[in-house]
Amino acid sequence: NAGVTQTPKFQVLKTGQSMTLQCAQDMNHEYMSWYRQDPGMGLRLIHYSVGAGITDQGEVPNGYNVSRSTTEDFPLRLLSAAPSQTSVYFCASSYSTINTGELFFGEGSRLTVL
Amino acid sequence: AQSVAQPEDQVNVAEGNPLTVKCTYSVSGNPYLFWYVQYPNRGLQFLLKYITGDNLVKGSYGFEAEFNKSQTSFHLKKPSALVSDSALYFCAVRALNDYKLSFGAGTTVTVRA
Repeated sequence: NAGVTQTPKFQVLKTGQSMTLQCAQDMNHEYMSWYRQDPGMGLRLIHYSVGAGITDQGEVPNGYNVSRSTTEDFPLRLLSAAPSQTSVYFCASSYSTINTGELFFGEGSRLTVL
Repeated sequence: AQSVAQPEDQVNVAEGNPLTVKCTYSVSGNPYLFWYVQYPNRGLQFLLKYITGDNLVKGSYGFEAEFNKSQTSFHLKKPSALVSDSALYFCAVRALNDYKLSFGAGTTVTVRA
């Protein structure tokens, strides 16, 4: 039981490049979400999903896309990277949509955009 | 809109002394409240939650938190801090009818030996 797995752990991009951060969970969790963590700002919700085929926007969705084709996977796509997207990204999941506050987090993906 | 305020960026205490990390919240209706801890270069770990019932909730590693509806606060406490409690602590809130969890900016706790 690996929990929530994020790849890659580190990535450096140039402005304008695109990439996908992968997130997979093996706990059969309904709810999955992506946060970004920036110093002094805590965690801000980017996108979330309450089940396969269902996604919605969080606080800071601009510049990011998500999809949820399976229960296990919830990739985050950066369409055209900007320096403002330099951050640490966390994927988190919860076993039900009723209990979405009790989240299991991945180890994070540190992204630098030059 | 819901929000969380953690008024202290840093809290420093001596080992063995009581530890308090403050949190106030704003949300429509009744809140669900949570505390998470983050160790360096790791993801967040769930500590405890308040949903309903007793205003004093107990969680992992000897931590507890007190819900105060009139003051809209949910302060995290530990009677006797350990050096290993040094970490970044986040308070979070969500409304009953919302999936989204909002986090505070975090409080860095340093426990000195």
